[in-house]
Amino acid sequence: EAGVAQSPRYKIIEKRQSVAFWCNPISGHATLYWYQQILGQGPKLLIQFQNNGVVDDSQLPKDRFSAERLKGVDSTLKIQPAKLEDSAVYLCASKVRLVSQETQYFGPGTRLLVL
Amino acid sequence: AQTVTQSQPEMSVQEAETVTLSCTYDTSENNYYLFWYKQPPSRQMILVIRQEAYKQQNATENRFSVNFQKAAKSFSLKISDSQLGDTAMYFCAFMKHAGDDKIIFGKGTRLHILP
Repeated sequence: EAGVAQSPRYKIIEKRQSVAFWCNPISGHATLYWYQQILGQGPKLLIQFQNNGVVDDSQLPKDRFSAERLKGVDSTLKIQPAKLEDSAVYLCASKVRLVSQETQYFGPGTRLLVL
Repeated sequence: AQTVTQSQPEMSVQEAETVTLSCTYDTSENNYYLFWYKQPPSRQMILVIRQEAYKQQNATENRFSVNFQKAAKSFSLKISDSQLGDTAMYFCAFMKHAGDDKIIFGKGTRLHILP
């Protein structure tokens, strides 16, 4: 079974530029998450989707971050414009459905450096 | 709000030794899940072990076991017969049993297994 795929693996941009990350969850997984992991910290949830609907985006900085999952499969996370403090690893995770018992499976992440 | 605290930023042990990673958490919930995740240098977050709070028996997975003390809100991970491949960041995490399935992560413990 293929895992969660993310691209790109690394991205370097200058502040005020825009950047987008892509995630392809495990086939058949309805629930998808985006996390931000700042160096030295654990991952923090940014947004959660159930199919193509948003379940929780309470910690997403909506003035600069946006995410979509239009067809309920792949998802993109965008930052516009980027700030220095956005430097982090962005992790995507998925699970079969929105119940506590299911396990979240993580992708390898995208490391973003904002200069 | 729930919090997860890992008081050991970094640890080193010799190969084949046993090591215990500490974790404490704070919650007013009675039913919840606790996890230990492993994140090797490749950054793929992997679930190591999971404990349901309503179960008194400590979870075990091969060389990995936990000491779950619900009253003390403590959840430590023991790795027996440590191997070089166990070198990684280890994150303790919490999730409510019902309602949102947001995972709250600690800051992590960096574990080095020395040859």
